[in-house]
Amino acid sequence: EAQVTQNPRYLITVTGKKLTVTCSQNMNHEYMSWYRQDPGLGLRQIYYSMNVEVTDKGDVPEGYKVSRKEKRNFPLILESPSPNQTSLYFCASSPQSGGPEPLHFGNGTRLTVT
Amino acid sequence: AQSVTQLGSHVSVSEGALVLLRCNYSSSVPPYLFWYVQYPNQGLQLLLKYTTGATLVKGINGFEAEFKKSETSFHLTKPSAHMSDAAEYFCAAFSSGTYKYIFGTGTRLKVLA
Repeated sequence: EAQVTQNPRYLITVTGKKLTVTCSQNMNHEYMSWYRQDPGLGLRQIYYSMNVEVTDKGDVPEGYKVSRKEKRNFPLILESPSPNQTSLYFCASSPQSGGPEPLHFGNGTRLTVT
Repeated sequence: AQSVTQLGSHVSVSEGALVLLRCNYSSSVPPYLFWYVQYPNQGLQLLLKYTTGATLVKGINGFEAEFKKSETSFHLTKPSAHMSDAAEYFCAAFSSGTYKYIFGTGTRLKVLA
């Protein structure tokens, strides 16, 4: 089944403890992206990648890191999480770097930082 | 900067009534436009998309949207609401100039029995 898989679905952590949210897609998509969803703010892009080893900042990249060593994987790293990073995170992928193909989304990771 | 505006963060309709969710975009060049639906505890699913060609786009679950360049709008409609339509709906635009997808803030649809 074609899908974007995020893990974990739920994560509770403490301020400053490094964490990684994994994202993997099995559709051979070039484009991958991370979003955070907050009430009243919709989805805001954190980072995106147009292909392997090519990443770029989105609208809210502060406090996050990503890497794209393989086409299928695009992990999101929080080196020192803070409470303002408590949010619902989505990974998404798309078959074309140039668009306009729609995004395929994972089921989300709900992160709580205390 | 390109933006997507969804009017009404919450919309309530009676079962069987018309659903109208509004979306306006700002762009000097018409972008590619999408509507997504999000059910509780799930990711976003594509409802429909407009790229080029016919301005009335039909999607899944009986939804459709009309691209109106003169009004910079892409409103989502469904003739008759069903209880299962209760969800949050997001309008999004893709800009080929910046290679970015931009989302509206979402509209939560409530369907009343």
